[in-house]
Amino acid sequence: GQNIDQPTEMTATEGAIVQINCTYQTSGFNGLFWYQQHAGEAPTFLSYNVLDGLEEKGRFSSFLSRSKGYSYLLLKELQMKDSASYLCAVRDSNYQLIWGAGTKLIIKP
Amino acid sequence: DVKVTQSSRYLVKRTGEKVFLECVQDMDHENMFWYRQDPGLGLRLIYFSYDVKMKEKGDIPEGYSVSREKKERFSLILESASTNQTSMYLCASSFRTGGGANVLTFGAGSRLTVL
Repeated sequence: GQNIDQPTEMTATEGAIVQINCTYQTSGFNGLFWYQQHAGEAPTFLSYNVLDGLEEKGRFSSFLSRSKGYSYLLLKELQMKDSASYLCAVRDSNYQLIWGAGTKLIIKP
Repeated sequence: DVKVTQSSRYLVKRTGEKVFLECVQDMDHENMFWYRQDPGLGLRLIYFSYDVKMKEKGDIPEGYSVSREKKERFSLILESASTNQTSMYLCASSFRTGGGANVLTFGAGSRLTVL
């Protein structure tokens, strides 16, 4: 079957760095997405990786290793507003999205 | 500002009632999707549509139907609501292109409680 694994919850301190991991086993691979979802709000797109390596976008970076079935989202200089759930999703060979359960990130002052 | 709008943020219905969840997008997207989101589970696809009057079953279509009479509007219908359909329902849309990022834009969600 197809599976996306990510930690259920993480806690970090304001101003610090946090890495949220995502491992996947899917039928084929056509890209990996990270979305951010604040409580009670719509998920919003953060990043897309289709080739191996690191994609940097301001304070957020996303890494992909296709051979290892692994990605991480790196958040730097954490701010209180980064408290949210982070959803990892993989697009499979049929171009359907398979979603992880999300990682709830709690930022403490 | 581009938007996906879901008509109801919170609904409370009784078992056996027919429930309509409406979703409208203003981005001229071809693709529209209905997901449900439950604690501890990833988003699960109920139905999707690639064009007007076209629909495809997702992973969990049982107990649901959809309607897409206009490009901008995609409705989710629960013919006879049951308590196990208590959930957060998310509508999303995207352009049709198969490759590239083809990012989903989500609505804010409709939280349905079935008593």
